[in-house]
Amino acid sequence: NAGVTQTPKFRVLKTGQSMTLLCAQDMNHEYMYWYRQDPGMGLRLIHYSVGEGTTAKGEVPDGYNVSRLKKQNFLLGLESAAPSQTSVYFCASSRPGQGTNEKLFFGSGTQLSVL
Amino acid sequence: DQQVKQNSPSLSVQEGRISILNCDYTNSMFDYFLWYKKYPAEGPTFLISISSIKDKNEDGRFTVFLNKSAKHLSLHIVPSQPGDSAVYFCAASQSLFSGGYNKLIFGAGTRLAVHP
Repeated sequence: NAGVTQTPKFRVLKTGQSMTLLCAQDMNHEYMYWYRQDPGMGLRLIHYSVGEGTTAKGEVPDGYNVSRLKKQNFLLGLESAAPSQTSVYFCASSRPGQGTNEKLFFGSGTQLSVL
Repeated sequence: DQQVKQNSPSLSVQEGRISILNCDYTNSMFDYFLWYKKYPAEGPTFLISISSIKDKNEDGRFTVFLNKSAKHLSLHIVPSQPGDSAVYFCAASQSLFSGGYNKLIFGAGTRLAVHP
């Protein structure tokens, strides 16, 4: 059972470089999310998608873009990385519905460092 | 402004004793609450949840209590085991409409260490 798979697991970028984080889920979930986790801040929502071809901004969307071209994939892009984007990034998915869409299935995370 | 607060960054408990993790929230419109557990180098996993129409939900060794008047919930783990050592995140959501997306707000987490 793969669940939610994130690639890469680790990445070091220089300021100004770009990259894309990949997320794939095999549970046929409608909803997908990108979170970042920072010390003392908990998990903060960057962007989310409620279905193929749709995306929306979360709490901290600045500096990030996303795409959901296929139902099973959700991509997070950093066009010009900044040191403030050093964080652990988690992708998650869930089914729709009250009491179910809150039960997220997370990937194992991507540790990103921007120098 | 943090709507969901976990004021204790860490907690240390002896194996076999009770672990009590606390969470406070400020938004009275939150109507669904969850606890997630996270081990190092892994993503969080769902542990237990409670709807605002209840004040207690139990699942094996884990019980969540909700005090709506105090805007407080707690997670009790009895008995605590070394394998429970992890970071625990409290989360809350508000049902905006049936069948739709309800945004989760997470607390900062509490690191639980259960020692033999």
